Amino acid sequence: ETGVTQTPRHLVMGMTNKKSLKCEQHLGHNAMYWYKQSAKKPLELMFVYNFKEQTENNSVPSRFSPECPNSSHLFLHLHTLQPEDSALYLCASSLNSGSADTQYFGPGTRLTVL
Amino acid sequence: EDQVTQSPEALRLQEGESSSLNCSYTVSGLRGLFWYRQDPGKGPEFLFTLYSAGEEKEKERLKATLTKKESFLHITAPKPEDSATYLCAVDSGGYQKVTFGTGTKLQVIP
Repeated sequence: ETGVTQTPRHLVMGMTNKKSLKCEQHLGHNAMYWYKQSAKKPLELMFVYNFKEQTENNSVPSRFSPECPNSSHLFLHLHTLQPEDSALYLCASSLNSGSADTQYFGPGTRLTVL
Repeated sequence: EDQVTQSPEALRLQEGESSSLNCSYTVSGLRGLFWYRQDPGKGPEFLFTLYSAGEEKEKERLKATLTKKESFLHITAPKPEDSATYLCAVDSGGYQKVTFGTGTKLQVIP
């Protein structure tokens, strides 16, 4: 499935590093999402963008900083993370937000914070 | 607060042994219920969307059904390649607020 791509697929970083995750969707969608998936927990919605505008910030710590330059690209900038931030970070897109449109997911970035 | 509960947490089946996965939900107003399949280390893969009670959808060995309180994912004569974690999610309105369950991990043994 190449509709939603994410890079890198794996990332190991120290607590003082700065890194970025990238997501690109080729589906012509207008909404993009970041989720965090930890073991034994349901997917946690982090951010929602609709037509490049952020519409949801689910009380995410400021060490996570999203950026959406256009409807096809989404970034998640990371700095001074904690070991508990280690997880699978998933990007998704849907036709629009605010309606029951199906979300399509990328393969995820497995993040390990040392 | 919206809640989604999936059961069982894990299920082990012999190849060809049919069974069902359950997704119970409590929402203020259901706009859509989604089923996804997730393989280890990969993102969820979309299977079905159901919008109203009584609706059913099928794809190969999978059939999803919906009532006002729960959804079932029926697996008929499963094969080892059906082994995965199956996620259920509900959209209850608001601005794209989708709540996920913790999933059912299915293992099909040859």
